[in-house]
Amino acid sequence: RKEVEQDPGPFNVPEGATVAFNCTYSNSASQSFFWYRQDCRKEPKLLMSVYSSGNEDGRFTAQLNRASQYISLLIRDSKLSDSATYLCVVNEGQAGTALIFGKGTTLSVSS
Amino acid sequence: ETGVTQSPTHLIKTRGQQVTLRCSSQSGHNTVSWYQQALGQGPQFIFQYYREEENGRGNFPPRFSGLQFPNYSSELNVNALELDDSALYLCASSLGQGAGVIVAFFGQGTRLTVV
Repeated sequence: RKEVEQDPGPFNVPEGATVAFNCTYSNSASQSFFWYRQDCRKEPKLLMSVYSSGNEDGRFTAQLNRASQYISLLIRDSKLSDSATYLCVVNEGQAGTALIFGKGTTLSVSS
Repeated sequence: ETGVTQSPTHLIKTRGQQVTLRCSSQSGHNTVSWYQQALGQGPQFIFQYYREEENGRGNFPPRFSGLQFPNYSSELNVNALELDDSALYLCASSLGQGAGVIVAFFGQGTRLTVV
């Protein structure tokens, strides 16, 4: 069983659409959760951390369900510039531990 | 920008050769991690250095080795290159150790092609 699983997509949506990405993780000891964004042939960039209470940053809302080991990202009012691959990332939060990445979900927003 | 810089940005090597990749971490960050990202995959953890010591390693063979220097910059060395080593190599710097949220910032990566 893979540690972090995401639907690879691609998700093709028109501008203005709302799109949701889901992610599940297998390690119940995970303590830290993130969404990273990666543009084609570029490095991953932190989009937002994910907190148990859920958190919002503008058009982006992240949710965490520890009991189900499930993370989500909701993007409202999609922009052309949102086109990218979105990586779900977890970490045990202990010294020496790695960020564990999903394979990513590709989003393509069209006009 | 993250303040994490990697060099070179692109590299072509022949199978069997050795390669050294370099990373300068963000100012004040004492932890550096290296990741390998193959095409269509998420980044895979290679190892992590904290205060010049390796303190975590992923499922990579010993021919992948590294160093961290007193200024927290780091090197990744790969010996006996194989075709499957072709990938984007990412360096990530972060601050601190121990439990809690450890946010990592990535450099732009080195794209290695082994022919």
